[in-house]
Amino acid sequence: GAGVSQSPSNKVTEKGKDVELRCDPISGHTALYWYRQRLGQGLEFLIYFQGNSAPDKSGLPSDRFSAERTGESVSTLTIQRTQQEDSAVYLCASSPGTGIAAFFGQGTRLTVV
Amino acid sequence: DQQVKQNSPSLSVQEGRISILNCDYTNSMFDYFLWYKKYPAEGPTFLISISSIKDKNEDGRFTVFLNKSAKHLSLHIVPSQPGDSAVYFCAASGPGDMRFGAGTRLTVKP
Repeated sequence: GAGVSQSPSNKVTEKGKDVELRCDPISGHTALYWYRQRLGQGLEFLIYFQGNSAPDKSGLPSDRFSAERTGESVSTLTIQRTQQEDSAVYLCASSPGTGIAAFFGQGTRLTVV
Repeated sequence: DQQVKQNSPSLSVQEGRISILNCDYTNSMFDYFLWYKKYPAEGPTFLISISSIKDKNEDGRFTVFLNKSAKHLSLHIVPSQPGDSAVYFCAASGPGDMRFGAGTRLTVKP
């Protein structure tokens, strides 16, 4: 596709369950970012992938959160044992590299009940 | 730690007037700055950017100013239009990741 694609667009899960969120970046984009936006708040950085370099995981809020990226393609963000405070919109963005604007997907709205 | 700050959560201006949105950053390693616009239920949309080697970048009604010594940037929209009403995020990137401010909700009144 032409843009960044995220799936699912909406996810409702029970507290304690694991969830997996998917991001398909724009083809050829080496940089990929995950952010979280809680209700009424700004964009919270989670993790950053650049090519084959080790990812910058400094924004992950706890060890329940992990992310993977296969080469320069799809990325998955996994949240284990979800908690209600994990409810947010999870946004993915990709960029051809650093110092170049990143383009966002529509986000995945996660609701933990 | 908030490396990028937008201290005004909201701004309201009259149609046709200038909108000025402000942003401050703390990390001197940032060398590329961006503004994004976000409508409800959509992902942020890239608006305009500026490299640290410049102090001004203009694109139509949108101009971004960078003051490196003050670690401050601003977005000017003139003339403002009702369709500009959205949340505007400032972002900064360096050798690695990209950090965002908390956003400013702009309302342009007809």
